[in-house]
Amino acid sequence: DTGVSQNPRHKITKRGQNVTFRCDPISEHNRLYWYRQTLGQGPEFLTYFQNEAQLEKSRLLSDRFSAERPKGSFSTLEIQRTEQGDSAMYLCASSALALTTEAFFGQGTRLTVV
Amino acid sequence: AQSVTQLGSHVSVSEGALVLLRCNYSSSVPPYLFWYVQYPNQGLQLLLKYTSAATLVKGINGFEAEFKKSETSFHLTKPSAHMSDAAEYFCAVSGITSNTGKLIFGQGTTLQVKP
Repeated sequence: DTGVSQNPRHKITKRGQNVTFRCDPISEHNRLYWYRQTLGQGPEFLTYFQNEAQLEKSRLLSDRFSAERPKGSFSTLEIQRTEQGDSAMYLCASSALALTTEAFFGQGTRLTVV
Repeated sequence: AQSVTQLGSHVSVSEGALVLLRCNYSSSVPPYLFWYVQYPNQGLQLLLKYTSAATLVKGINGFEAEFKKSETSFHLTKPSAHMSDAAEYFCAVSGITSNTGKLIFGQGTTLQVKP
């Protein structure tokens, strides 16, 4: 297993366009998380899946954002009608079910909205 | 609200000197605590974690941290800094507001190591 994989690594898009990011977690991990990290800040939680069920969403996740995890495997995060304020690093992480296990992070997708 | 505070957004040390990065948390219940490191344009890598076992936790690359409940602190230390330690360090907590494993991060501390 090569760890958590995110694609693309970089995305530049024009304001108003839609973008979609993909995350492939570690295969045996039930839990999957999306975080957003802006420059000079720590990551902020966006949403969480346990298997295919989306169990928690942050208030940061406006109605322009949607995430899915079909069949409890990979996950996608879509941003519709992108705004300049969406420019950030989007990080995906996965973990096993036990609370004491750590989350493993992917290398992130850096989004730039111009 | 539960939170994590990292004191000092930038810390500069000389190579070979002691590294001390500070982290305080607010929680009414025992949390799980983590330190992650992030190199430029990379994801986060776990350095160490506290999960209510031993209060002194040893991690990778010579780092360790001590959980002090009375001080609500989880400071990260390394006896001798190496140039390769230059990176962004994040303290994080989970298990406070839910049992989802969601992490609440501090704002990070940039460690600079001078030759």
